[in-house]
Amino acid sequence: DGGITQSPKYLFRKEGQNVTLSCEQNLNHDAMYWYRQDPGQGLRLIYYSQIVNDFQKGDIAEGYSVSREKKESFPLTVTSAQKNPTAFYLCASSIRASGGRETQYFGPGTRLLVL
Amino acid sequence: GDSVTQMEGPVTLSEEAFLTINCTYTATGYPSLFWYVQYPGEGLQLLLKATKADDKGSNKGFEATYRKETTSFHLEKGSVQVSDSAVYFCALKSNAGGTSYGKLTFGQGTILTVHP
Repeated sequence: DGGITQSPKYLFRKEGQNVTLSCEQNLNHDAMYWYRQDPGQGLRLIYYSQIVNDFQKGDIAEGYSVSREKKESFPLTVTSAQKNPTAFYLCASSIRASGGRETQYFGPGTRLLVL
Repeated sequence: GDSVTQMEGPVTLSEEAFLTINCTYTATGYPSLFWYVQYPGEGLQLLLKATKADDKGSNKGFEATYRKETTSFHLEKGSVQVSDSAVYFCALKSNAGGTSYGKLTFGQGTILTVHP
């Protein structure tokens, strides 16, 4: 089955610790994204990548880092500099239709909690 | 900048009732418009989309029409079921300047609860 997988489902972070969230897709999509969702709010973009070895900051990139060494994988590291990391993190990937319009598809999410 | 405004929730309906969730947007040019649905503890699922004015997106009995003149993309369903209980997000993707990839701008979400 093609799809987007995220792991782990739940992640706990201690003070001063960096943690890495995994996102993998086997859809052969070029672009991948990380969004953050806080309770009662919409999603906000953290980082995105259009091609391997290239990525751009989104609206709330501070305290986060990413890499894109393979087309299928786009891990997100939440660093100790992110002072309020408790949230639901969603990875997405996208495909462009023949007219150039993009559609993003989402993974199941990782819930990050601070101990 | 781009923005999406959804009707305030939560919305509570009885089974088989008619559903409307309002969504209006502000964007430059002709964005693509989407409705996503999120069930408790899960990620977002694409419900439907429209990429140009007057397009109607439809899926699973839900419909929404891209209205450029009113900058709206209201979600409707003629007869809701208990299984439709979820959070619904309206979103837009700017296509200004020939942008291929980029962020989705989301509304704040509308909680729908359907009672038997």
